[in-house]
Amino acid sequence: SQQGEEDPQALSIQEGENATMNCSYKTSINNLQWYRQNSGRGLVHLILIRSNEREKHSGRLRVTLDTSKKSSSLLITASRAADTASYFCATGAGSYQLTFGKGTKLSVIP
Amino acid sequence: DGGITQSPKYLFRKEGQNVTLSCEQNLNHDAMYWYRQDPGQGLRLIYYSQIVNDFQKGDIAEGYSVSREKKESFPLTVTSAQKNPTAFYLCASSLQGSGYEQYFGPGTRLTVT
Repeated sequence: SQQGEEDPQALSIQEGENATMNCSYKTSINNLQWYRQNSGRGLVHLILIRSNEREKHSGRLRVTLDTSKKSSSLLITASRAADTASYFCATGAGSYQLTFGKGTKLSVIP
Repeated sequence: DGGITQSPKYLFRKEGQNVTLSCEQNLNHDAMYWYRQDPGQGLRLIYYSQIVNDFQKGDIAEGYSVSREKKESFPLTVTSAQKNPTAFYLCASSLQGSGYEQYFGPGTRLTVT
């Protein structure tokens, strides 16, 4: 079953603008991860945030986690054409299994 | 270079044939995973392995089989029992369980006609 649900399904912005993607989930988690996938390629890990963390930064990426609302957001600042990809959230609940959402397709127009 | 390799990139098979997808990693990771991705969809877990000679079914294991005889290798066989085998297959590995990031291979696109 897919626990994470990203919103919006698709997002189109101009280069230089910020992009925000949201992820909601249903059950308790130990951590939440964000991945990027370029078309036809494998996924690349972006950032992992644990359930006791509220915010995490990595370069132009900022991730927040609100466990009371069971939601997370990924912010990409000053977007570039190279950021065009699909972005997936994945939740981990203490076993070996990560549960992925269906992704947000981001298009950054030069 | 450390990483995960999958071969081949594209695979074509006739209906009724079994086919094996290769996955090799040199990251010295204990855990390995197989996912299936359909167009516009997220990843669904087929099988995972925590250590050599051990593997567990994921959400959609029916029609698939795996083996883990070596730490570096986790091949996936798509059997003729799998009703809709055409998909993009992704292999991943991680140091241990879901508290760690997963490293993905480039994927194999399987088309069965």
